[in-house]
Amino acid sequence: SQQGEEDPQALSIQEGENATMNCSYKTSINNLQWYRQNSGRGLVHLILIRSNEREKHSGRLRVTLDTSKKSSSLLITASRAADTASYFCATGVGLSGGYNKLIFGAGTRLAVHP
Amino acid sequence: EPEVTQTPSHQVTQMGQEVILRCVPISNHLYFYWYRQILGQKVEFLVSFYNNEISEKSEIFDDQFSVERPDGSNFTLKIRSTKLEDSAMYFCASPRDNRPNYGYTFGSGTRLTVV
Repeated sequence: SQQGEEDPQALSIQEGENATMNCSYKTSINNLQWYRQNSGRGLVHLILIRSNEREKHSGRLRVTLDTSKKSSSLLITASRAADTASYFCATGVGLSGGYNKLIFGAGTRLAVHP
Repeated sequence: EPEVTQTPSHQVTQMGQEVILRCVPISNHLYFYWYRQILGQKVEFLVSFYNNEISEKSEIFDDQFSVERPDGSNFTLKIRSTKLEDSAMYFCASPRDNRPNYGYTFGSGTRLTVV
């Protein structure tokens, strides 16, 4: 498999439920980022977690990182219909002090039903 | 939050023609990136640009591709002789807040359709 593989590929839940998406990667990373993409639109940065961090919160988002297992998870709590989108993890790799190219996963398509 | 602007939003071109995609990154950034996303597939790194030079390019970024900064602020991605398989969304990106480890701001993309 390739760097940054998410699972599940698709997730369908009801409003108010929590959504958990997982991401695995293979190589050493400087950071791991999560992006959201509405259909046919651009990528929106959600949250970044550095390789020396284990957990990070931002509003209804919670990200964990386990570098020993080379995996991360994104939890969206109390989901809303407006959270319907594709979610991608992306690993920042490279040498240049944080300005890294991103290696994206295939994404999880989240559908939140009212 | 500062924006990254891409034009055009949609470009249709005939196979073999040259296309130029444009991007206005967040100002005063030295780093700049182009990515592409074939429909239904993952986003792929194409090229990074640092201080007016290409710093890294992927295997996808072959001799048909070039990137320039024609006027000191705008960036262009040129595909010299388009192929059907070049049909994709093309995104440019700048580091957020001009600081490392803060993620990236992506433009809304150009959808390129080669017919």
